[in-house]
This record gives sequence, structure tokens and C-alpha cells, in this order.
Amino acid sequence: QQQVKQSPQSLIVQKGGISIINCAYENTAFDYFPWYQQFPGKGPALLIAIRPDVSEKKEGRFTISFNKSAKQFSLHIMDSQPGDSATYFCAASLAGNTPLVFGKGTRLSVIA
Amino acid sequence: DGGITQSPKYLFRKEGQNVTLSCEQNLNHDAMYWYRQDPGQGLRLIYYSQIVNDFQKGDIAEGYSVSREKKESFPLTVTSAQKNPTAFYLCASSTPGPRNEKLFFGSGTQLSVL
Repeated sequence: QQQVKQSPQSLIVQKGGISIINCAYENTAFDYFPWYQQFPGKGPALLIAIRPDVSEKKEGRFTISFNKSAKQFSLHIMDSQPGDSATYFCAASLAGNTPLVFGKGTRLSVIA
Repeated sequence: DGGITQSPKYLFRKEGQNVTLSCEQNLNHDAMYWYRQDPGQGLRLIYYSQIVNDFQKGDIAEGYSVSREKKESFPLTVTSAQKNPTAFYLCASSTPGPRNEKLFFGSGTQLSVL
């Protein structure tokens, strides 16, 4: 119930291509879905987040798509660049002061 | 310059030894967290604290201990009971308010066993 399942575990994309990372959850009480980006040797940083009252949120080249009925959400990186190479974590949280539940991460490599 | 400072960046532990990882924040955040990161395992919650002098166990608290005597500080002790301590440890804090949503992370401490 508390898990967030993330796929794929690793992803290689050509420069200029679209990177897509998917997450699925079971607990319908989750109401906040962020994505974090982590570069090697650094801590993760918030990239973009969405609430279930909207189906899509876009910030620059990064878009979250949210499918409430399927209990899935995904991160799309348009025009992927080598600088986007990092590990990406999806997460979910419940209302109230409960900690985020993280997926296991996707290691993205963008090659020229 | 506000943020979260973790120290040391690298730490080595001998068998049977307790070691303490430091985490300090000057963001005036009430909530602080400790996560353990292993390759392919994501971020697993060890302990968290919503307020000074109070903390709760996370998913993998066994073999670890924490204290929260000051708002700015949330040290993590890896005890000798933790048989597999080698990992990257991340401290985080979150914005005040009814929903602790945005996490700010430190740069982590890599702990290895000698």
C-alpha cells in the first residue's frame, strides 16, 4: 500500500530524444507526487511535482503526466541533453505530516 | 548561504565501532530526515523528526539512533548493531507548514566498513 514502483531501473537515450520514466502506486490516499533529480555524489533536488487534480504539469523540458484512474504518473524529458544524465526518483505523500515514499530510482544516461 | 551541511563526506567504520554522522541546517525547518541510499534500492527512511526533542522510526531504523536536541541539528549514529552499514547517507529537511512536502537534501556521507 505504501510502495511506489518505478521503471525502468536504467535508461539510455540519444541526445535530443525523449526520456520517459514511469511510476505506479496503490494507495489512493496519496495526494502529492514529486520527482527528484540526483547527480553523482550529491543529494537529490526537487525537479517538478504534481497534485492529482490536474493531469499534466510542464516546466520547461520536463513534464509530469498523471493518470489517476490507472494510479500511474510519469516524467517526460523532452530534447534530452547530456546534462540531464542523473538518477531520477519519483515519490508520493499522504496528507498530514508523513514522510515521502520514494521509488527505487532510474539512472538516465543521455548520449551524444 | 542557507542549506544543509553533512559531515564528514567520507567515513570509515571499524568492526564493533559506533560512528556519528553530522547534519546541520540553517533553513529554519522544523522537520528533518535521514535516508540511506544503496545502489538500486532507492531512498529508504531511517528516522525522522518533526520537532525538537521528538523523532520517529522510519522503515529501516534497526541499528541506528538519532537525537534532536536543537532545531538545527539532527545527528545519526550508526551503531555496531548495524551489520551492513556501507551506504550513502542523506540528511534532509522540509519546509514548515501543515505539509512537509519539499525536501532539501544535504550532499551526503559515504560510510564504508574497514
